[in-house]
Amino acid sequence: EPEVTQTPSHQVTQMGQEVILRCVPISNHLYFYWYRQILGQKVEFLVSFYNNEISEKSEIFDDQFSVERPDGSNFTLKIRSTKLEDSAMYFCASSPQEGGSNQPQHFGDGTRLSIL
Amino acid sequence: GEDVEQSLFLSVREGDSSVINCTYTDSSSTYLYWYKQEPGAGLQLLTYIFSNMDMKQDQRLTVLLNKKDKHLSLRIADTQTGDSAIYFCAERADKLIFGTGTRLQVFP
Repeated sequence: EPEVTQTPSHQVTQMGQEVILRCVPISNHLYFYWYRQILGQKVEFLVSFYNNEISEKSEIFDDQFSVERPDGSNFTLKIRSTKLEDSAMYFCASSPQEGGSNQPQHFGDGTRLSIL
Repeated sequence: GEDVEQSLFLSVREGDSSVINCTYTDSSSTYLYWYKQEPGAGLQLLTYIFSNMDMKQDQRLTVLLNKKDKHLSLRIADTQTGDSAIYFCAERADKLIFGTGTRLQVFP
C-alpha cells in the first residue's frame, strides 16, 4: 500500500539554525499537510497546501515557517531561526481530495526535531 | 472554538473489549476519524464514520456516533496486546482537530 515517507526520522539542530523537513506524499494525492506534536501534547495542525499554494495555516505557522513543493514529489517544511520550543514530532500527511470526503489524510511516521 | 476531548488512559485485560470515548464540538464535521499511534511511530488511520451514520463495524472495530450529544466511541473487541497504543479521535477533514489521545494498555 502506498505510504507517506518522511526524512530524516530524527533531526538534531542547534538553536538559531534553519532546518528543512522532507516529505514524499502518496503519488496521486493533491492535498498536503504538516502537523506538529510537542511531547505529551495534542497533534496540532500547522498548514495545508494545494495547487502550489497554502490553503490554510494555523496561528503556529508564523513567518518562521514556510512550505514548498520544489518538484513533483517532495513537500518540505522549512523552519528558520529554530527555538527550543520548536522541538517536537512533525508529521506530514496527504489526501487525494479536499477535506470532508471519505478519502482521509494519510500520515507519515514523522520527523523528531530536537533543538539544542 | 473547536475542541476534541478524550480520557487519557484505559487499561484492559487481553481478550476483553475496550471502549474509547471522545467528545467533539464541531457539528459541521462530515467525517470523524480514529487514528492509532504506536510508540515512536506515525499516525495510522484505523477507521472513520460518515456523520449521518450512527454505527460502523470493521472487523474487531465498532464505531458509534451520537451526533446529538457529539459523542464518538471506538470499541475494540477481543483486545490483544498488539492493540496497546495511543488512540486519537479527530474531527474536521480539511484540517484535522485531534483529541488528546487515549493510551490503551492491554495486560495479559
